[in-house]
Amino acid sequence: GEDVEQSLFLSVREGDSSVINCTYTDSSSTYLYWYKQEPGAGLQLLTYIFSNMDMKQDQRLTVLLNKKDKHLSLRIADTQTGDSAIYFCAESMRNTDKLIFGTGTRLQVFP
Amino acid sequence: DVKVTQSSRYLVKRTGEKVFLECVQDMDHENMFWYRQDPGLGLRLIYFSYDVKMKEKGDIPEGYSVSREKKERFSLILESASTNQTSMYLCASSSPEGVEQYFGPGTRLTVT
Repeated sequence: GEDVEQSLFLSVREGDSSVINCTYTDSSSTYLYWYKQEPGAGLQLLTYIFSNMDMKQDQRLTVLLNKKDKHLSLRIADTQTGDSAIYFCAESMRNTDKLIFGTGTRLQVFP
Repeated sequence: DVKVTQSSRYLVKRTGEKVFLECVQDMDHENMFWYRQDPGLGLRLIYFSYDVKMKEKGDIPEGYSVSREKKERFSLILESASTNQTSMYLCASSSPEGVEQYFGPGTRLTVT
């Protein structure tokens, strides 16, 4: 069945880069997503990548997709305290509008 | 600006009570979803609906039911709340043509 895995925690110093990793199992996914959840809030879409792309860059965010290894990563450059949140990886299921979410990675940024 | 609202941010109920969680979206989206979020487990899909009066079970439907009488409103019902249903409940909506699911702020339900 479908499964999306992430490490649970990541701690980085302010100003450093953060890299959050995700592995997924459904090779037929159309899109892969990164959502951000700030404390006490719902999820907000950060960025997404179409499955035929290898990389997408959006300001401080870089998404890398390795389809062969079914590995997705999110790099945040110059990490700020406001980036502290839970980050969820998700994959779309072919021919449905459903998403499969990972367990979430809690990013903590310290000064 | 897309808005998904949920009726309560925090809710405390007793075991055995019937609980209604309401979700409303203002973007005329066909699809609506209910998830529960638990630490270390991520988001798990309870039910979703792709049209009025239509519903499909997600991964963990046991103990829950849903209602979609109007396009903008999707209700999650706990017929007889149990302590293992203590969780954060998130509602989302999307359109079939769109890429993104839009989330509400969540309802933190505690069942005592």
